Amino acid sequence: NAGVIQTPRHKVTGKGQEATLWCEPISGHSAVFWYRQTIVQGLEFLTYFRNQAPIDDSGMPKERFSAQMPNQSHSTLKIQSTQPQDSAVYLCASSLVANTGQLYFGEGSKLTVL
Amino acid sequence: QQKVQQSPESLIVPEGGMASLNCTSSDRNVDYFWWYRQHSGKSPKMLMSIFSNGEKEEGRFTVHLNKASLHTSLHIRDSQPSDSALYLCAASRTGGYKVVFGSGTRLLVSP
Repeated sequence: NAGVIQTPRHKVTGKGQEATLWCEPISGHSAVFWYRQTIVQGLEFLTYFRNQAPIDDSGMPKERFSAQMPNQSHSTLKIQSTQPQDSAVYLCASSLVANTGQLYFGEGSKLTVL
Repeated sequence: QQKVQQSPESLIVPEGGMASLNCTSSDRNVDYFWWYRQHSGKSPKMLMSIFSNGEKEEGRFTVHLNKASLHTSLHIRDSQPSDSALYLCAASRTGGYKVVFGSGTRLLVSP
């Protein structure tokens, strides 16, 4: 079991460019989460999928962030018109079932917006 | 909005000493608490969970929970330099999916 796989591990973009981050959850896990981690804000919930369906995107900045899960083995987080304040480590996590706090995190994608 | 508060923000203990970390939730509907450990440059890994009042021990790690005050604490005895990490407390509601994390306590165990 390879765990949750995230790519790229590091991404540097210029202000105003687009960034797409990928996540492959653990096979058989029905719940997929995206979190954002910064020194100032800590670990913030962004969005949640259950059995590929979007359930809760209440943590997503509405205008520029979007997330999709086109199949059970793949989720993407897209940030349009990136801003310096989007710089963070974006963490994808999966869980066997939805109502458990036992999340398995990927190693994260560190986004730096210049 | 549900918040999880952790204290202290940082903690230095000598090797072999006891580290005590605290966590409180402001959400009275929370039922489950989790402790995650995150080493520098790595992702958070679940360390221990506690759902019932009382104490739970796993090796050098002990977790306490007081559901009335929504307070949990993590105690690490015989601390080792490898225990140096960011410790994150998390909470969730019964049947809920959203796990809310605190800002963490950064533990440094000095040799």
